[in-house]
Amino acid sequence: GEDVEQSLFLSVREGDSSVINCTYTDSSSTYLYWYKQEPGAGLQLLTYIFSNMDMKQDQRLTVLLNKKDKHLSLRIADTQTGDSAIYFCAEFSYTGRRALTFGSGTRLQVQP
Amino acid sequence: DADVTQTPRNRITKTGKRIMLECSQTKGHDRMYWYRQDPGLGLQLIYYSFDVKDINKGEISDGYSVSRQAQAKFSLSLESAIPNQTALYFCATSDGQGGRETQYFGPGTRLLVL
Repeated sequence: GEDVEQSLFLSVREGDSSVINCTYTDSSSTYLYWYKQEPGAGLQLLTYIFSNMDMKQDQRLTVLLNKKDKHLSLRIADTQTGDSAIYFCAEFSYTGRRALTFGSGTRLQVQP
Repeated sequence: DADVTQTPRNRITKTGKRIMLECSQTKGHDRMYWYRQDPGLGLQLIYYSFDVKDINKGEISDGYSVSRQAQAKFSLSLESAIPNQTALYFCATSDGQGGRETQYFGPGTRLLVL
């Protein structure tokens, strides 16, 4: 079955780059997503990447996909204190249950 | 105005009680989902519905039931609440357009079962 794994915690200093990593097991994954959850709020879609792409850039966010290794990363440039949140990786495949499978989330703490 | 709303936002109940969590959306999406979030476990899918007549169990459906009253409404019921159902519950919607499964989440309902 599908499985998505992330490290639980990352701490960086304000202004540095943050890199959040994710691995997944389903080789038929079609789309991969990054969601952000701020305290007391629901999940907010940050970005997504189609499985035939290697990279996607959107302002301060860069998503890298290594399909061979089933590894996804989210890089946040010039990290700000407002970026402190939990970041969830998720994958979607048309096979299996046709629903998103989420990782357990990475808590990003930005030190001033 | 929020596109996906959940009521109540917080609920305390006792073991054995039946409770209902409600979700409404104004996005016009066909697909709706219920998840629970426990610390360190991410989101687990409880039930999902691709339209009013298509309801599917997720990975942790035991102890829960759902009702899709209309395209815009999807309710989650706990028939007889137990303490390990204490969690944060999220509703989500998607339109599945372009083959994507981009989901939009409500603000969550925090449930405490005593």
